Amino acid sequence: AQKITQTQPGMFVQEKEAVTLDCTYDTSDPSYGLFWYKQPSSGEMIFLIYQGSYDQQNATEGRYSLNFQKARKSANLVISASQLGDSAMYFCAMRGRSEKLVFGKGTKLTVNP
Amino acid sequence: GAGVSQTPSNKVTEKGKYVELRCDPISGHTALYWYRQSLGQGPEFLIYFQGTGAADDSGLPNDRFFAVRPEGSVSTLKIQRTERGDSAVYLCASSLRWAGTGANVLTFGAGSRLTVL
Repeated sequence: AQKITQTQPGMFVQEKEAVTLDCTYDTSDPSYGLFWYKQPSSGEMIFLIYQGSYDQQNATEGRYSLNFQKARKSANLVISASQLGDSAMYFCAMRGRSEKLVFGKGTKLTVNP
Repeated sequence: GAGVSQTPSNKVTEKGKYVELRCDPISGHTALYWYRQSLGQGPEFLIYFQGTGAADDSGLPNDRFFAVRPEGSVSTLKIQRTERGDSAVYLCASSLRWAGTGANVLTFGAGSRLTVL
């Protein structure tokens, strides 16, 4: 079974600064994928970034990058140059052999002006 | 459609009543997923369809919950004899690919908020 742990219930960051949201995972599957989703107050889940377990390089998508440390089983999300619109819940998720996407409990990010 | 559409967006019902929640996935997406999100929690997997068949229904909490996708497109999540503990946001997602290969990104709808009084 897969498990995702997000230990930061809430995080605060100043506008224009970078922030790291932590995610650790546990799985016995040799091949897996890691995802980050953003959920604004409107409720819709928005895909941000994906990292495959065999990918050699850390994934990047614009201001989002994923700090993937396989040996530590961590997949932290780094948001650079934070904007007010980044304030939202952020969920880390993973998929192993099954099609289930397993989510963590999320981190609430607040960007201060 | 342009995105995943879920109706109703809000549903208030009384304990013991029957409820149907509808999901219209992105056109051409063969895989469809239902998740439940309780307050302050991450989404919890309920069921996954590949085409018309339920490929994995291991997340359905009990036999009061049932989902169908008769024509491989629109899906309906059905809850019988609702209980107060069923109150949550029910999220639907669809994806173009399946079988766990590559990113297989799920696109989510805005959800149906169910309140059982």
